[in-house]
Amino acid sequence: GNSVTQMEGPVTLSEEAFLTINCTYTATGYPSLFWYVQYPGEGLQLLLKATKADDKGSNKGFEATYRKETTSFHLEKGSVQVSDSAVYFCALTGGSYIPTFGRGTSLIVHP
Amino acid sequence: EAQVTQNPRYLITVTGKKLTVTCSQNMNHEYMSWYRQDPGLGLRQIYYSMNVEVTDKGDVPEGYKVSRKEKRNFPLILESPSPNQTSLYFCASSPWGSGSAGELFFGEGSRLTVL
Repeated sequence: GNSVTQMEGPVTLSEEAFLTINCTYTATGYPSLFWYVQYPGEGLQLLLKATKADDKGSNKGFEATYRKETTSFHLEKGSVQVSDSAVYFCALTGGSYIPTFGRGTSLIVHP
Repeated sequence: EAQVTQNPRYLITVTGKKLTVTCSQNMNHEYMSWYRQDPGLGLRQIYYSMNVEVTDKGDVPEGYKVSRKEKRNFPLILESPSPNQTSLYFCASSPWGSGSAGELFFGEGSRLTVL
């Protein structure tokens, strides 16, 4: 079956630092890939997506590139802010109507 | 405003007392689903529905029921709650099946405690 593995957190950074959260996946066929963000006390929100190999999703300064050769979809941001503190989930859809989520990575950004 | 609304947001109940968590969306999405979020386990899908009167099991359906009598509503029913169903529950809808890749729109969550 499908699976998503993302780095365990928490990831702790200072404001303006560079962020990478790793995500790798296992899936048959050509899945679509997503990053969702969950701010404290809220539901998940779609951050960005990519639907085919080499696509780059981007939003709010975050980027991720669909790398089929390495089955990866790493999330990056050049300069994080305190307001980016949240839990980030990598997810995929493909092959069925049941999305597969990673376990989430908590990001803490200090001023 | 496009949204998914679930109620109640917080609930404390006792073992065996039936409860229903409601979910409603105003985006005319055909696909709706329920998830539970537990520490260290991420999100796991309980049930999903592709359309009115069409429901199917997700990864963890045991102990739950759903119904889809109207397109906008997708209630989650716990007939006889047990303490292992203490969790944070999310409802989500999606334009999946209408040419989208399956991006989900989530409600704000319902925190359920079963004593």
